[in-house]
Amino acid sequence: GQQVMQIPQYQHVQEGEDFTTYCNSSTTLSNIQWYKQRPGGHPVFLIQLVKSGEVKKQKRLTFQFGEAKKNSSLHITATQTTDVGTYFCAGHSGAGSYQLTFGKGTKLSVIP
Amino acid sequence: NAGVTQTPKFRILKIGQSMTLQCAQDMNHNYMYWYRQDPGMGLKLIYYSVGAGITDKGEVPNGYNVSRSTTEDFPLRLELAAPSQTSVYFCASSYARNTEAFFGQGTRLTVV
Repeated sequence: GQQVMQIPQYQHVQEGEDFTTYCNSSTTLSNIQWYKQRPGGHPVFLIQLVKSGEVKKQKRLTFQFGEAKKNSSLHITATQTTDVGTYFCAGHSGAGSYQLTFGKGTKLSVIP
Repeated sequence: NAGVTQTPKFRILKIGQSMTLQCAQDMNHNYMYWYRQDPGMGLKLIYYSVGAGITDKGEVPNGYNVSRSTTEDFPLRLELAAPSQTSVYFCASSYARNTEAFFGQGTRLTVV
């Protein structure tokens, strides 16, 4: 079955440093979604990428979808303490898949 | 606008007991999902539904059952609870296959 892998599993950064998490799928994805989960909370949708090579920005967050639609990345510039949480990627494999498969997530800690 | 509502928020079960986790959404979404989240393991799909009367297995369906008699409700049934089912359970819904998923607050289940 489809596997979605994320690295790193944990990341500790000093406030103001940049942060990047990477997502790789064993199969071609029809789309990639990114979610953020605050400690003790539930996943909250951030963005969806659909097109090969797509890049989207949300303020300090930059999301990329690979040319082969098998990998993606989330980059945060100048982290803040409000960025703390776990970031998940999730995707549907192929046109006919209804299963939204999540990666294991990257837990970000920001040291003030 | 309530979104996705899960009940209960917390529950302790004894081994062998059964229970139903409730999930309701008021957004007229066709797609609904049940995930379990174990520490450091991301979200694993248990069951999903693409509409009333239609359900299908996800990655980890053993020990669970679902039904979808209405668009709004998607209960998850645990029969003969086992310690391995100790987890946080999230219900989610989306309007269509490639749209954002909205998550409920989660149910923290402990089986002792």
